[in-house]
Amino acid sequence: GESVGLHLPTLSVQEGDNSIINCAYSNSASDYFIWYKQESGKGPQFIIDIRSNMDKRQGQRVTVLLNKTVKHLSLQIAATQPGDSAVYFCAENMGSQGNLIFGKGTKLSVKP
Amino acid sequence: ETGVTQSPTHLIKTRGQQVTLRCSSQSGHNTVSWYQQALGQGPQFIFQYYREEENGRGNFPPRFSGLQFPNYSSELNVNALELDDSALYLCASSLDRGSEQYFGPGTRLTVT
Repeated sequence: GESVGLHLPTLSVQEGDNSIINCAYSNSASDYFIWYKQESGKGPQFIIDIRSNMDKRQGQRVTVLLNKTVKHLSLQIAATQPGDSAVYFCAENMGSQGNLIFGKGTKLSVKP
Repeated sequence: ETGVTQSPTHLIKTRGQQVTLRCSSQSGHNTVSWYQQALGQGPQFIFQYYREEENGRGNFPPRFSGLQFPNYSSELNVNALELDDSALYLCASSLDRGSEQYFGPGTRLTVT
């Protein structure tokens, strides 16, 4: 069935290291993907997005990679900081209807 | 510019009761989407409203209903509450269908 999931439920990194969070999706027709950050007690916050006609997109300290061949998405965070500690979700946008399909999330913990 | 706001912040209801949750969309946004997020899970799409009309619905029973007003604010109504309805309810607004969604802080509903 259609689903978006994450390989690792938790990730612990040292402050200053790079973090990589992975996501697998199953709907090959999906054409738009988003990464969200959710801090405790808050709603998801947009980080970066990518369309299926791209394989890489960079933002400030973040990079999203899309591999359509294996239906895999990753979020790279450079020089991870304590403020990056949160749960990260990948989401798949289902076209004009606009509903997002979220994975279960990866909890990122940054050790000082 | 005011972001997406939701009320109330927290709510406790008894099984069988009815509840109404409210969402004010970001200025200029005509689309509102509602999601249910159970503890430790990713958000699940309930439905989306575009210019006061329902524009897509997820796998939720009819006792979950919604409304969008001319100012594009929205309500989520849940009838005959069940224990499993306990969750964080998120509202997201966007400029248009399929555009980037901005989430509010959510309403934490507890059904006892």
